[in-house]
Amino acid sequence: AQTVTQSQPEMSVQEAETVTLSCTYDTSESDYYLFWYKQPPSRQMILVIRQEAYKQQNATENRFSVNFQKAAKSFSLKISDSQLGDAAMYFCAYSLDFNTGNQFYFGTGTSLTVIP
Amino acid sequence: DADVTQTPRNRITKTGKRIMLECSQTKGHDRMYWYRQDPGLGLRLIYYSFDVKDINKGEISDGYSVSRQAQAKFSLSLESAIPNQTALYFCATSDWTAGSQETQYFGPGTRLLVL
Repeated sequence: AQTVTQSQPEMSVQEAETVTLSCTYDTSESDYYLFWYKQPPSRQMILVIRQEAYKQQNATENRFSVNFQKAAKSFSLKISDSQLGDAAMYFCAYSLDFNTGNQFYFGTGTSLTVIP
Repeated sequence: DADVTQTPRNRITKTGKRIMLECSQTKGHDRMYWYRQDPGLGLRLIYYSFDVKDINKGEISDGYSVSRQAQAKFSLSLESAIPNQTALYFCATSDWTAGSQETQYFGPGTRLLVL
């Protein structure tokens, strides 16, 4: 079974500083996708960044980047120059390659507080 | 206009009542999903549908049923609501094409309280 673990229920960061959110996953598959979603107080789930397992290069999206370590099954999210609007719950998610059926598995979330 | 909408946004009901949560999407996606979110448990998959004729149980389907009325509509029903079904419910769609990165697009959520 696939599982996604976020070991940090809560994190805080000073505005303009950098924070890293951790995520590990367990799978026996070789092709899969990894995602980070953000859930602000509005409850909407917003895609932050995604990574294909077959790509060695870490995905980057403006101030958001990932550190993908396939052998270690680790997928951490780095937020640089943190802004007040980054305060939210962040979910790590895993999805299988489409050939094997496509379900999403989510971690339990990390609540990020940004301190002015 | 939002691409994925859910109605109602908030609902309070009593134990034993039947309730339906509705989801509509204008993204033209074939795949639709229902999740529930509980504190400390993240999102868990209830049901998913890869097209109008294909409906599958997810991790926690007991006590729930779904109906895919059309490509754009996917409803979740609680036939006899119980208090531990109190949760935040999300509908999502995904844009699967061969070789693509599948990304899920979420609705705004429905907060359900079962008394």
